Amino acid sequence: DVKVTQSSRYLVKRTGEKVFLECVQDMDHENMFWYRQDPGLGLRLIYFSYDVKMKEKGDIPEGYSVSREKKERFSLILESASTNQTSMYLCASLGGVNEQFFGPGTRLTVL
Amino acid sequence: GENVEQHPSTLSVQEGDSAVIKCTYSDSASNYFPWYKQELGKGPQLIIDIRSNVGEKKDQRIAVTLNKTAKHFSLHITETQPEDSAVYFCAASKGGGSNYKLTFGKGTLLTVNP
Repeated sequence: DVKVTQSSRYLVKRTGEKVFLECVQDMDHENMFWYRQDPGLGLRLIYFSYDVKMKEKGDIPEGYSVSREKKERFSLILESASTNQTSMYLCASLGGVNEQFFGPGTRLTVL
Repeated sequence: GENVEQHPSTLSVQEGDSAVIKCTYSDSASNYFPWYKQELGKGPQLIIDIRSNVGEKKDQRIAVTLNKTAKHFSLHITETQPEDSAVYFCAASKGGGSNYKLTFGKGTLLTVNP
């Protein structure tokens, strides 16, 4: 079974802190994605990566950056966390025929 | 870019009834339409998908239909059970390269009452 793991289920940070969210997949997938999920807004794509060191902006990249140094790991970085970045963050990796496999999510609260 | 509209936002049915969730998309180049189910405290999980060369697909109690001309697709769940209660998301993509990215609808909270 494909497994996508995220480093934390719950995270509380203060405004202005630098925040790292880590995602690891164990299926050698090339494509990985970061979404944020907010009530009434569904899932919105922040960034995605189609290969090591390759990345593309999604629909809402402002305030975020990403890092993909190894194929299995895709990190989302909040350079200076703000309260409007309080959200559920979901990582996904893409399997063979377009299926995206999601991790359990990290619920981030920025105080 | 692609825009996916999903209706209704909430749906409550009695156990055993059918449930239908509808989505429309804007980009005629989209050719892949998955449906995801998200249970409480979990990430979304693919339950069924359809490609643009197919009009309907079934998997036990779940079916998806696609009307390319009208640019809409629907999820049908028959004989609903309490464990079907979850948030359901439709999505669309063009597939291939950077087009693997999915555009999601806003979700439907389905409640199946025993």
